[in-house]
Amino acid sequence: LAKTTQPISMDSYEGQEVNITCSHNNIATNDYITWYQQFPSQGPRFIIQGYKTKVTNEVASLFIPADRKSSTLSLPRVSLSDTAVYYCLVGPGGSYIPTFGRGTSLIVHP
Amino acid sequence: KAGVTQTPRYLIKTRGQQVTLSCSPISGHRSVSWYQQTPGQGLQFLFEYFSETQRNKGNFPGRFSGRQFSNSRSEMNVSTLELGDSALYLCASSKGRENTIYFGEGSWLTVV
Repeated sequence: LAKTTQPISMDSYEGQEVNITCSHNNIATNDYITWYQQFPSQGPRFIIQGYKTKVTNEVASLFIPADRKSSTLSLPRVSLSDTAVYYCLVGPGGSYIPTFGRGTSLIVHP
Repeated sequence: KAGVTQTPRYLIKTRGQQVTLSCSPISGHRSVSWYQQTPGQGLQFLFEYFSETQRNKGNFPGRFSGRQFSNSRSEMNVSTLELGDSALYLCASSKGRENTIYFGEGSWLTVV
């Protein structure tokens, strides 16, 4: 099972770029990396998914180095509404039991 | 396209009772998985169903069970409720095992 490690918390200010890194040393060849955002009392919301190099969509970018042992979620110009917990998930890979880490609590200050 | 729908959204039960939670996946999705989320343990995988068959099960006691119907809708049941079962129960769906999973808003269960 691909275990993930993320910082427990991060602080930022409105308008700044935020980068959250996730370590997944034992990622399998057929694993994808997916990031989710979760607000209190709501289900996690899909943000972005990638396999290697860089993926960008309208809300975020995902950077994955060649060895794929880590990944970085980049949120450009954050706002107060980006305050949430962010999870990275690595899978499916083989006997798929999704294992979420504790997530990163991002607080954006005015 | 409608997302994953879970009912009920909130419920309160008494210790010893049982509860059934319902999940309607995104149209066309055949895989449904369930998770328990608590402040102490985080997001934990309960089980996954695909085409009415349980494919994977997390490390939870037998009091936690589930099933999937032919229309891919799923239910999970917790019997003999304990205080520690108070949690947010999340359902997620995907087209198959190797596809992105999408979560519902969850069912908040409080056991008193």
